[in-house]
Amino acid sequence: SQTIHQWPATLVQPVGSPLSLECTVEGTSNPNLYWYRQAAGRGLQLLFYSVGIGQISSEVPQNLSASRPQDRQFILSSKKLLLSDSGFYLCAWSALASGRGEQFFGPGTRLTVL
Amino acid sequence: SQQGEEDPQALSIQEGENATMNCSYKTSINNLQWYRQNSGRGLVHLILIRSNEREKHSGRLRVTLDTSKKSSSLLITASRAADTASYFCATPSNTGNQFYFGTGTSLTVIP
Repeated sequence: SQTIHQWPATLVQPVGSPLSLECTVEGTSNPNLYWYRQAAGRGLQLLFYSVGIGQISSEVPQNLSASRPQDRQFILSSKKLLLSDSGFYLCAWSALASGRGEQFFGPGTRLTVL
Repeated sequence: SQQGEEDPQALSIQEGENATMNCSYKTSINNLQWYRQNSGRGLVHLILIRSNEREKHSGRLRVTLDTSKKSSSLLITASRAADTASYFCATPSNTGNQFYFGTGTSLTVIP
């Protein structure tokens, strides 16, 4: 069966520090991978998605970047965090050719920038 | 933007009552999906309804889709305290590579 892992679960970082959040998927090949951010009590904002290794699409201009060094690994990074980067970050995957289109989410990372 | 909007933003009901949430979207779709999110957790897929379907059932869940009005509804029957969560609708892009989520309905079921 497929599983998706995210770490860390929680993170408190000072403004201006770097960030690296990691997401890995097991049990599937060639997944589409996604990073979302969710502000408190709000909906999900799509940040990045990837349809293959090294292929990253950005939805919104921001202080963050994403990389996909391996088929089932998706990394969210920042060189210098801003207060506005605080939020709940969710990684998700979907099957590229499943035809069903459902997404499977990781447990999320709660990021607080102070 | 293709992002959907859920209505109401918050809903509080007694255990045993039915809960109805609505979703409106802006562009043509291939399918529409509903997700559930418990507080502080990731989202869980509940049900998918295709554009050529009008109604779909899964256990205590009933989803309807009206493509002419670009709207969908999620009905949870005989609600339980464990149904307390936020519920989101989502629509895929034309390529199927991106998903657009609504703002969510926060449901509280009072025991």
